[in-house]
Amino acid sequence: DTGVSQDPRHKITKRGQNVTFRCDPISEHNRLYWYRQTLGQGPEFLTYFQNEAQLEKSRLLSDRFSAERPKGSFSTLEIQRTEQGDSAMYLCASSLGDRTQETQYFGPGTRLLVL
Amino acid sequence: GNSVTQMEGPVTLSEEAFLTINCTYTATGYPSLFWYVQYPGEGLQLLLKATKADDKGSNKGFEATYRKETTSFHLEKGSVQVSDSAVYFCALGRMGAGNNRKLIWGLGTSLAVNP
Repeated sequence: DTGVSQDPRHKITKRGQNVTFRCDPISEHNRLYWYRQTLGQGPEFLTYFQNEAQLEKSRLLSDRFSAERPKGSFSTLEIQRTEQGDSAMYLCASSLGDRTQETQYFGPGTRLLVL
Repeated sequence: GNSVTQMEGPVTLSEEAFLTINCTYTATGYPSLFWYVQYPGEGLQLLLKATKADDKGSNKGFEATYRKETTSFHLEKGSVQVSDSAVYFCALGRMGAGNNRKLIWGLGTSLAVNP
């Protein structure tokens, strides 16, 4: 399967711990997005990479959140000193950024529960 | 700013009934419009899209027409099946030049189809 993959699928952690999520996009896709989705809500944009460059960050992304895409392929999202309010589904999407097609393809998500 | 307003759910229909899920948007410029579907326990999947006014997106019997004059992108299906039970999200996004690539999402509409 050559879709977007995310790891882990589920993460339970205690408040104050650090967590890191990984996203592997579709191999030829140069754009990568992170979103967060809470129950009963639509996804909220967190950040966006074009190749290895992080071009946009939401105000939702506090100083405790950091994302990287060091070689323009996979990406990691780290949350430091987790809080209960960080509990959500973290979604990764990728797209091939040309002028005519930019459908975002989503991974299955990582569900985070902070106790 | 950009926003998406989606009909509230849940929507409950009998098999073979006609489905409409309303979606209206506010946006500057000329966004692309998308419907994504999230089946129970699965990730977001693109259902259909339209990139310019009067375009009709269609897939799996679902249709939606990009109406600029009414700023709407309502989702319709003539005869729903039990397997269509899912949460449906309307979203708008940017295509083409520029760095602002994020999707702006509605809250989602839950559909339950009874046999």
